[in-house]
Amino acid sequence: TQLLEQSPQFLSIQEGENLTVYCNSSSVFSSLQWYRQEPGEGPVLLVTVVTGGEVKKLKRLTFQFGDARKDSSLHITAAQPGDTGLYLCAGADNYGQNFVFGPGTRLSVLP
Amino acid sequence: EAQVTQNPRYLITVTGKKLTVTCSQNMNHEYMSWYRQDPGLGLRQIYYSMNVEVTDKGDVPEGYKVSRKEKRNFPLILESPSPNQTSLYFCASSFNQGNHEQYFGPGTRLTVT
Repeated sequence: TQLLEQSPQFLSIQEGENLTVYCNSSSVFSSLQWYRQEPGEGPVLLVTVVTGGEVKKLKRLTFQFGDARKDSSLHITAAQPGDTGLYLCAGADNYGQNFVFGPGTRLSVLP
Repeated sequence: EAQVTQNPRYLITVTGKKLTVTCSQNMNHEYMSWYRQDPGLGLRQIYYSMNVEVTDKGDVPEGYKVSRKEKRNFPLILESPSPNQTSLYFCASSFNQGNHEQYFGPGTRLTVT
């Protein structure tokens, strides 16, 4: 069974600080997605990374896929209160049928 | 508006009383999936469907059934709900199995007493 771990589990920072959250596995994934989920809502896709070593930027968010396609990181520059939420990583198996989600990192950005 | 809808959003029921949670998407997506979300465990895949009349088990299928008679609908059926099925349920869809970008519904909070 493929598993994804995320760290840290909780993170509370001040507005303007930088942060990195990690998503790790011993398994190889064909792709990895990052989602953000707010209370009472479903997860919303932020990015998909497919190629080992790939780096994608989305405004203040930078996503990286590990060379071996087993891990990923999300870096937020100058965090804002609007970044508060639960950040989930998800990995797809080689057939794109089965998805495994990490337990999430709950981020709180204080004004 | 492109979206995934689920009904009901909240449901309280008793052990053994059959229930169905509906899921519908208006994006002509081939792939649909059901997840449950529990504290500390994250999202776990229950069932998925790659197209009409094609369904398969995810990681936690016990106690659930699904059907995919139409492309847009993917209902989740609990024939005999039990308290350990109390959870937050999400339906999701994506264009096809090659496109891994899933769009999620708003969730259904189910309590089984």
